[in-house]
Amino acid sequence: AQKITQTQPGMFVQEKEAVTLDCTYDTSDPSYGLFWYKQPSSGEMIFLIYQGSYDQQNATEGRYSLNFQKARKSANLVISASQLGDSAMYFCAMRAEAGTALIFGKGTTLSVSS
Amino acid sequence: GAVVSQHPSRVICKSGTSVKIECRSLDFQATTMFWYRQFPKQSLMLMATSNEGSKATYEQGVEKDKFLINHASLTLSTLTVTSAHPEDSSFYICSARDGRQMNTEAFFGQGTRLTVV
Repeated sequence: AQKITQTQPGMFVQEKEAVTLDCTYDTSDPSYGLFWYKQPSSGEMIFLIYQGSYDQQNATEGRYSLNFQKARKSANLVISASQLGDSAMYFCAMRAEAGTALIFGKGTTLSVSS
Repeated sequence: GAVVSQHPSRVICKSGTSVKIECRSLDFQATTMFWYRQFPKQSLMLMATSNEGSKATYEQGVEKDKFLINHASLTLSTLTVTSAHPEDSSFYICSARDGRQMNTEAFFGQGTRLTVV
């Protein structure tokens, strides 16, 4: 069975600081994709970053980077230079087979203060 | 990027009535769409996979007679909550993918906040 684990219910960070949101996963499929989404209070799901299981390099998208450690089955999201607008819930998700739905972790609520 | 539109964004209905939620892919064809349910401050739980032209595949524990899914075209899937009860109150959100490659992100609708009174 596939599973995503996010152990941090809430994280607090000050503006301009970096923050790491943890995510571990479990799957027996050799091919899988890992995703991070941001969900503000409005409820919309905003795609942030993707990492494929065969990708050799860690994914980066602007201020977002994914620290992919395959042997440890972890895919932590790093947000550099936090902004007030980063306050939201963040979900790690996995797709273990092409065409199937995403499986989500429980999420981490990030609060950025000035 | 691809856009998925979900309607309505909010709905309040009386107990015992039915509510239809629409999910449209606006600039791509989606042979498969997914319906999720989310309780406050919790994760998204997959309810069903909607396949164009065939029956939906429901996750274990999801009543298919209560949550009717129709995917009549390549751009539209609907979820009907039949005989709604207060415990059906939740945030429902759909997603669709533009392509079948592993690295294609899932695009989400805006979500529907259903309140049954």
